[in-house]
Amino acid sequence: KQEVTQIPAALSVPEGENLVLNCSFTDSAIYNLQWFRQDPGKGLTSLLLIQSSQREQTSGRLNASLDKSSGRSTLYIAASQPGDSATYLCAVSPSRDDKIIFGKGTRLHILP
Amino acid sequence: EAQVTQNPRYLITVTGKKLTVTCSQNMNHEYMSWYRQDPGLGLRQIYYSMNVEVTDKGDVPEGYKVSRKEKRNFPLILESPSPNQTSLYFCASGKGLRYNEQFFGPGTRLTVL
Repeated sequence: KQEVTQIPAALSVPEGENLVLNCSFTDSAIYNLQWFRQDPGKGLTSLLLIQSSQREQTSGRLNASLDKSSGRSTLYIAASQPGDSATYLCAVSPSRDDKIIFGKGTRLHILP
Repeated sequence: EAQVTQNPRYLITVTGKKLTVTCSQNMNHEYMSWYRQDPGLGLRQIYYSMNVEVTDKGDVPEGYKVSRKEKRNFPLILESPSPNQTSLYFCASGKGLRYNEQFFGPGTRLTVL
């Protein structure tokens, strides 16, 4: 059964720093991996989608990488800002079934 | 505007009183799904649908029903709600599963007393 883990569960960094969030999954048979942002009490906003055949995707200050063989993805945030404070979730679409499996997220706090 | 809508956004009810949470998308997506989000447990998939009249169980389907009679709508039905179904519920849709990103609704906060 596919399991998705995000470490750390919470992270605080000073404004302006570059940071990396981690996501690992147990079964490399996936269609894709998606990173989301969730603000407190709100819905999920899609940030980046990486197909299984891709190694990375970039959007503005965000860069997501995927190493399918090792079951890992990272979300790199450059020059962090207080507005980046949120919970970041990763989700995989296993190719063995039609479900979507989420990690529990990393709660990020950017200190002004 | 492309979006996924859910209604109601907030609901307080009592044990055993049947309720339905509606979900609608205007993007002509084939794939739709329901999730619940609980502190410490994260987002867990309840049910999903690959297309009209095609539904299947996710990881936590007990106590829930769904139907997909039209492509745009995917209601979540709680026939006899219990307090352990108090949660934040999200509906999502995507064109498919293999290559396409998922879009989420704003959430429905349900409290069962």
